[in-house]
Amino acid sequence: KAGVTQTPRYLIKTRGQQVTLSCSPISGHRSVSWYQQTPGQGLQFLFEYFSETQRNKGNFPGRFSGRQFSNSRSEMNVSTLELGDSALYLCASSSGLAGVSEQFFGPGTRLTVL
Amino acid sequence: AQRVTQPEKLLSVFKGAPVELKCNYSYSGSPELFWYVQYSRQRLQLLLRHISRESIKGFTADLNKGETSFHLKKPFAQEEDSAMYYCALSGPNTGNQFYFGTGTSLTVIP
Repeated sequence: KAGVTQTPRYLIKTRGQQVTLSCSPISGHRSVSWYQQTPGQGLQFLFEYFSETQRNKGNFPGRFSGRQFSNSRSEMNVSTLELGDSALYLCASSSGLAGVSEQFFGPGTRLTVL
Repeated sequence: AQRVTQPEKLLSVFKGAPVELKCNYSYSGSPELFWYVQYSRQRLQLLLRHISRESIKGFTADLNKGETSFHLKKPFAQEEDSAMYYCALSGPNTGNQFYFGTGTSLTVIP
């Protein structure tokens, strides 16, 4: 099976701009979770989508949003970028079915905000 | 509230020495605990989960509900064990959302 893929791998933006990141899960997986990874904070949960519906949400401002398509691919959008948004954004897919299922991570998108 | 604490940001051990990476958690009920590892230039991947009770790459972890801990151990560290290790928690009380610790960077000195 092909692994989780994320595009683009690197992004450089300036403050105030917006950005859209994409994640393609493992075939057959219906759940996609997004995380922000920074050296000081580790992995912080942004949100999870399952079957096109947001199922869980972390404590991030409304500037962070996401969606999931019928093929389970997911996008994450960050509007009005701030310097502090510079981070590695990871997505993880899982079957999302009953119980806790293993999360499989993508390589991440490295976002730099100047 | 759910929380995962990894008290050590950095840990260095000599090759062949035992290693223990600490993880403490708070959770109401029966959690599922995981250890994920991220080697240099590789993606985050599952190392082990407590319900499987497996030993992966010589690593083991025992869930201690009394001490709310899930420490990762290996009797003899190898250079290839150098990586970033994350402890994670999930369960019904979190809506099966994962909570990660801040990670421990392990360096095995040759």
